[in-house]
Amino acid sequence: EAGVTQFPSHSVIEKGQTVTLRCDPISGHDNLYWYRRVMGKEIKFLLHFVKESKQDESGMPNNRFLAERTGGTYSTLKVQPAELEDSGVYFCASSQLAGVSEQYFGPGTRLTVT
Amino acid sequence: AQSVTQLDSHVSVSEGTPVLLRCNYSSSYSPSLFWYVQHPNKGLQLLLKYTSAATLVKGINGFEAEFKKSETSFHLTKPSAHMSDAAEYFCVVTRDSSYKLIFGSGTRLLVRP
Repeated sequence: EAGVTQFPSHSVIEKGQTVTLRCDPISGHDNLYWYRRVMGKEIKFLLHFVKESKQDESGMPNNRFLAERTGGTYSTLKVQPAELEDSGVYFCASSQLAGVSEQYFGPGTRLTVT
Repeated sequence: AQSVTQLDSHVSVSEGTPVLLRCNYSSSYSPSLFWYVQHPNKGLQLLLKYTSAATLVKGINGFEAEFKKSETSFHLTKPSAHMSDAAEYFCVVTRDSSYKLIFGSGTRLLVRP
């Protein structure tokens, strides 16, 4: 069974540009999460989808970030316009159930904003 | 509020010697605790989890952790390090039934031949 995949693995963009990160969860997992690790800091929760619905986006840093999960399958996270402080590693995870069900993580997308 | 503190940012051991990665937690509620590992260019993988059952939790690849409420600790141990254990390890806490994982800052484990 394929794991969680993320694309691209690396992205380097200039300040002010737009970037879209993609996450494909494990097939059949209704719950999808985005996390972010800014340089030298802890990994922090961004938001949680159940199918196509946003259940909790309390961790989204500001309105330059937009996450979608059309059709309840893959998800995208768009940053527009990107700022220097958005640099970091963006992780996606999925789980069958919410709660303390194991979350399976992707390898992350390393975003560098110059 | 909940938080975790990983006491060492880097740990270096020789192959075949014991591993100890330290983690202290703070939680107002009955916590669930996890250790995740990330090898280079891989996703985070769950090593083990504590969810208020046995206080000594055994995980994959010979790792185990002991939940000590009196010390608010959840240290990760392994009797004998292997070269393949070199990775970054994350201690994670969450409230019962919560999906929001709260991560420590990570500990990089270096294993010397």
